[in-house]
Amino acid sequence: EVQLVESGGGLVQPGRSLRLSCAASGFTFDDYAMHWVRQAPGKGLEWVSGISWNSGSIGYADSVKGRFTISRDNAKNSLYLQMNSLRAEDTALYYCAKGSARRLGFHYFDLWGRGTLVTVSS
Amino acid sequence: DIQMTQSPSSVSASVGDRVTITCRASQGISSWLAWYQQKPGKAPKLLIYAASSLQSGVPSRFSGSGSGTDFTLTISSLQPEDFATYYCQQANSFTFGGGTKVEIK
Repeated sequence: EVQLVESGGGLVQPGRSLRLSCAASGFTFDDYAMHWVRQAPGKGLEWVSGISWNSGSIGYADSVKGRFTISRDNAKNSLYLQMNSLRAEDTALYYCAKGSARRLGFHYFDLWGRGTLVTVSS
Repeated sequence: DIQMTQSPSSVSASVGDRVTITCRASQGISSWLAWYQQKPGKAPKLLIYAASSLQSGVPSRFSGSGSGTDFTLTISSLQPEDFATYYCQQANSFTFGGGTKVEIK
């Protein structure tokens, strides 16, 4: 079955770190760029970060630049998001999404996971 | 950065109605635009890509048009399963619009 399954979310205090994972199956993982998209409670979608098929190109939203790090392990069909210096405004449901092309840029998100909830609160 | 502005933010409509949602980019993006549908408690789903191409499996009552800075998503005859929130997204730096909630009148 073609799917993405996120994990690693939870409750974390401000200033602490969390690592999200996304396990891919049912497609050739290393043929596609991958992304993280988040949605704060009751709010819209916000692109967080993306990575090309070979990790050669990486991009971040300004809101997370310098605090979050995206990575992938093609041998394990997995995508990761290391989140440091977490803030209350990072509270959201974090989705993993598959890009429709190898390179970062000029493509669409054609497969989404169900998301993992990150709550930043003391 | 390219900003994406959707209107209206919400629309009330009845089954069978024609519904049109607009999306405006702060600068030209050619046809690099997608539309997504999100139902409550579910992940977004790709409906339209390249401004007017229908994603596989999406009903033909959905259509997209536009290029440059102005785009539209049209649902020709609203069905009960179409009540959801719709987002546009520009495909270069991946900015989303604010969303349009289609509600039952």
